[in-house]
Amino acid sequence: EAQVTQNPRYLITVTGKKLTVTCSQNMNHEYMSWYRQDPGLGLRQIYYSMNVEVTDKGDVPEGYKVSRKEKRNFPLILESPSPNQTSLYFCASSFLAGEAYNEQFFGPGTRLTVL
Amino acid sequence: SQKIEQNSEALNIQEGKTATLTCNYTNYSPAYLQWYRQDPGRGPVFLLLIRENEKEKRKERLKVTFDTTLKQSLFHITASQPADSATYLCAPRDSNDYKLSFGAGTTVTVRA
Repeated sequence: EAQVTQNPRYLITVTGKKLTVTCSQNMNHEYMSWYRQDPGLGLRQIYYSMNVEVTDKGDVPEGYKVSRKEKRNFPLILESPSPNQTSLYFCASSFLAGEAYNEQFFGPGTRLTVL
Repeated sequence: SQKIEQNSEALNIQEGKTATLTCNYTNYSPAYLQWYRQDPGRGPVFLLLIRENEKEKRKERLKVTFDTTLKQSLFHITASQPADSATYLCAPRDSNDYKLSFGAGTTVTVRA
């Protein structure tokens, strides 16, 4: 089944404790990205990647890191989480060529709480 | 800065009626505008894409219009059903921009 998977789905952690949220897709998509979703603010893009070893900042990259060492995986790293990073996080992927880019496939989400 | 505004209030409508959602944008010159559906606790799902040279697009009971002069897209759900209850998100995209931003969404509730 074609899908984007994220792990963990739920995470409660404490301020300053490094964490990684994994994202994997099995559709051979070039493009992958991370979003956070907060009430009233919509989906805001954190980072995106157009291919292996190619990443760029979205609208809200502060406090996050990403890496793209393999085409299928795009982990999101919070080196020192803070309470203002409590949010619902989504990973998404798509092909990059032409209009295929316009159909983003989203993962199920990761609900993160930082105490 | 770029801004995307959707109906700020939730939409409550009677089954069978038409729901109309608005997406206004500023500081974009979108070549495309995407619409997604999001159910509570789940990731958004792509519904429709409209191009800048298209005035209207239809898919089953959904209709999208795109007015680049008004900088606005309208999303219509005709003959609405309770199963259409969800939040709907719009995302304008400039042709050479690989960042993607979404509006905050409009929540639609269809009463039986």
